[in-house]
Amino acid sequence: NAGVTQTPKFQVLKTGQSMTLQCAQDMNHEYMSWYRQDPGMGLRLIHYSVGAGITDQGEVPNGYNVSRSTTEDFPLRLLSAAPSQTSVYFCASSSRLVPPVGQFFGPGTRLTVL
Amino acid sequence: AQKVTQAQTEISVVEKEDVTLDCVYETRDTTYYLFWYKQPPSGELVFLIRRNSFDEQNEISGRYSWNFQKSTSSFNFTITASQVVDSAVYFCALSAGYSSASKIIFGSGTRLSIRP
Repeated sequence: NAGVTQTPKFQVLKTGQSMTLQCAQDMNHEYMSWYRQDPGMGLRLIHYSVGAGITDQGEVPNGYNVSRSTTEDFPLRLLSAAPSQTSVYFCASSSRLVPPVGQFFGPGTRLTVL
Repeated sequence: AQKVTQAQTEISVVEKEDVTLDCVYETRDTTYYLFWYKQPPSGELVFLIRRNSFDEQNEISGRYSWNFQKSTSSFNFTITASQVVDSAVYFCALSAGYSSASKIIFGSGTRLSIRP
């Protein structure tokens, strides 16, 4: 199993450009989430999904869109990048089993917006 | 509202010292789960432990131990006889409520440096 994969690993954008961060998991997990990590602020939840076709907002959703058309994939879209979106982005997946066994994280995407 | 507070931003100790990382949480849910994650300098996030709100037993795993106290809403993490390889950022996290496994709230992290 590859676990949770993210592409690209690094990306530089200019203000106003759009892009999609890819996330895929091969563990058949129902739940997937996107976080951003900024220095001194830990990880903040952007969007999450409890299954294909179902998404919801987290703590900091503005400027980001998501969709979940399959169980495996959960892409994060930046429609018009801003310097404030410079961050490290982590995708995570988890089973809906109770109790939760914890989330499995991808390796992260380091995004710089100039 | 749910919140996780890690008041210690950075800790530096000499190798072989014991060190405790503090974590205080807030939630109105009676069923919730607490986690600790480690982020080494390489950047990946490593799951360390999960504890549910109905189990207040302390847990020990090798040099690591966790102390969960509902009365003080704390879930502290102790490393005994620290080693240089323990140097990392450690995050405490909380999940609660419906479909809680899908959204985990993280504290801001404690950067731990172990000096040789």
